[in-house]
Amino acid sequence: EAGVVQSPRYKIIEKKQPVAFWCNPISGHNTLYWYRQNLGQGPELLIRYENEEAVDDSQLPKDRFSAERLKGVDSTLKIQPAELGDSAVYLCASSLQEVNEQFFGPGTRLTVL
Amino acid sequence: DAKTTQPNSMESNEEEPVHLPCNHSTISGTDYIHWYRQLPSQGPEYVIHGLTSNVNNRMASLAIAEDRKSSTLILHRATLRDAAVYYCILTGGTSYGKLTFGQGTILTVHP
Repeated sequence: EAGVVQSPRYKIIEKKQPVAFWCNPISGHNTLYWYRQNLGQGPELLIRYENEEAVDDSQLPKDRFSAERLKGVDSTLKIQPAELGDSAVYLCASSLQEVNEQFFGPGTRLTVL
Repeated sequence: DAKTTQPNSMESNEEEPVHLPCNHSTISGTDYIHWYRQLPSQGPEYVIHGLTSNVNNRMASLAIAEDRKSSTLILHRATLRDAAVYYCILTGGTSYGKLTFGQGTILTVHP
């Protein structure tokens, strides 16, 4: 069974540029999460989807971050414009339901110069 | 959200058992105890979870104190591949299903 797929794995951009991350969850998983992990810290939830609906986006910085999950499958997380402090690993995870085991992708390491 | 406290780091020798402690003195009756681990340059990986009774699976065992204010993740025979950051997380109530990661315990395994 294929795991959670994320792309790109690495991204280097200059500040003020836009960037987008893509996630393909495990087939059949209706719950999808985006986390941000700063160096030396545990992951922090940014947004959680139940199918197409964002049910928890309280930690998403909405002035520059946006996310979408079209057709309740793939998801895209966007930052525009990026700031130096956005340098981090962005992790996507999925689960069958919100209460079940979460499966994480390998993450996208973003470096903002 | 109920909080957990873990040691910053622990060390073990290969093929020896490892006991990773977690304190959660403010745990509520409906909180589940989850353990995830994160290997270098990878996303976190589910290890085990439990509510009241001790749990065993192919990866580890979870021992939960009778008052549920603490728990211990047990790796029966550590291997070099077990070197990772181990996170103890509570979920329940309004945060059911929501993983709030702390700093975790960095486990070093010596050959």
